[in-house]
Amino acid sequence: AQKITQTQPGMFVQEKEAVTLDCTYDTSDPSYGLFWYKQPSSGEMIFLIYQGSYDQQNATEGRYSLNFQKARKSANLVISASQLGDSAMYFCAMRGISSGSARQLTFGSGTQLTVLP
Amino acid sequence: ETGVTQTPRHLVMGMTNKKSLKCEQHLGHNAMYWYKQSAKKPLELMFVYSLEERVENNSVPSRFSPECPNSSHLFLHLHTLQPEDSALYLCASSQDAPQAPNEKLFFGSGTQLSVL
Repeated sequence: AQKITQTQPGMFVQEKEAVTLDCTYDTSDPSYGLFWYKQPSSGEMIFLIYQGSYDQQNATEGRYSLNFQKARKSANLVISASQLGDSAMYFCAMRGISSGSARQLTFGSGTQLTVLP
Repeated sequence: ETGVTQTPRHLVMGMTNKKSLKCEQHLGHNAMYWYKQSAKKPLELMFVYSLEERVENNSVPSRFSPECPNSSHLFLHLHTLQPEDSALYLCASSQDAPQAPNEKLFFGSGTQLSVL
């Protein structure tokens, strides 16, 4: 079974500052992938960044980086230089490779980020 | 044109109505998904289709009936729903049925369903 935990229901950050959104996970799969998605008020889930469990380096995509600490089972999202348009719900998700979980992209409960001007 | 399009954006229906949600993907993907997003709950996978064949059904009540006539279109037929079925229904697609951990999903904007 897979589980994603996001302990921050809501976060505030000042425009142009960096913010870290927490994500911890639990899985028995030897190989897995971790994702972050952004959901603005329009409803669409937008893919941000991906980290493989065997990737040697932390993933980065523009202003997004993933602070992956495998031993601690954490995959925190760091957004640098926050913009007003970053205000949205952010979801952490994972998928393992075992046959029962391979098709399941398991999501956390999300963190509502508000960027203040 | 967005990659995954869902219609309608909003739907209000009574418990005795029959309605359908439509999803169309323009990405050339082979797999399509229905997710349910209820308030204060994580996204729940409902159905997965790979090359028009249903490969996953997550114990979803029979009042939800999916249909995938081709790899670009996915429907969710609704009948005799309950008020607790009110939620945002999201459609997604991926290149292939997710055998690899790094398979990314591309989502539509969802249909906000209210059952009265």
